[in-house]
Amino acid sequence: DGGITQSPKYLFRKEGQNVTLSCEQNLNHDAMYWYRQDPGQGLRLIYYSQIVNDFQKGDIAEGYSVSREKKESFPLTVTSAQKNPTAFYLCASSISRTPPPNEQFFGPGTRLTVL
Amino acid sequence: AQKITQTQPGMFVQEKEAVTLDCTYDTSDPSYGLFWYKQPSSGEMIFLIYQGSYDQQNATEGRYSLNFQKARKSANLVISASQLGDSAMYFCAMREGGYRGSTLGRLYFGRGTQLTVWP
Repeated sequence: DGGITQSPKYLFRKEGQNVTLSCEQNLNHDAMYWYRQDPGQGLRLIYYSQIVNDFQKGDIAEGYSVSREKKESFPLTVTSAQKNPTAFYLCASSISRTPPPNEQFFGPGTRLTVL
Repeated sequence: AQKITQTQPGMFVQEKEAVTLDCTYDTSDPSYGLFWYKQPSSGEMIFLIYQGSYDQQNATEGRYSLNFQKARKSANLVISASQLGDSAMYFCAMREGGYRGSTLGRLYFGRGTQLTVWP
């Protein structure tokens, strides 16, 4: 089955530690995205990548880093510089084509709790 | 300024009734696309419906329809014949730019509306 996997589903870390969230897709999609969701805030874009070895900052990139070495994978590292990392993290992907809608497909999410 | 505004934090509807979830957007780009997603308590995001800025007719997908009023910059989601399984958070989102809104561009999301369907 094609889809997006995120692991782990729940993640606990101590304050000051870096942590990497995994996102893999087998949909052959070109673009991948990372969003952060906090209660009452909706989804906010952290980073996105439209092609391998290239990525752009979103609205809240500070304290996060990404890499896109393979088309299928877009891991997100939450660094110790991120002041409030406890949140629900969603990964998404989309394909480059016309016509629309070219909707984004989402993974199941990772809930990160920093203690 | 907010790109997407959803003014209803919560909505309640009785089973089998219709409900409208509001969404207004802000863009100066003539080409854009509007999306609605559903997020159940499990957290997954489910794509429901899409409306392109150049589409002449309102989009429909089963029990979902989009009331697109371009001059008012609104894209309200209408759910007909509500079911208990419709209880979830609903997000409106917009993608700007590109030919007929069909680029890989980023999405801007609203804060969501929590819909509760009661029997």
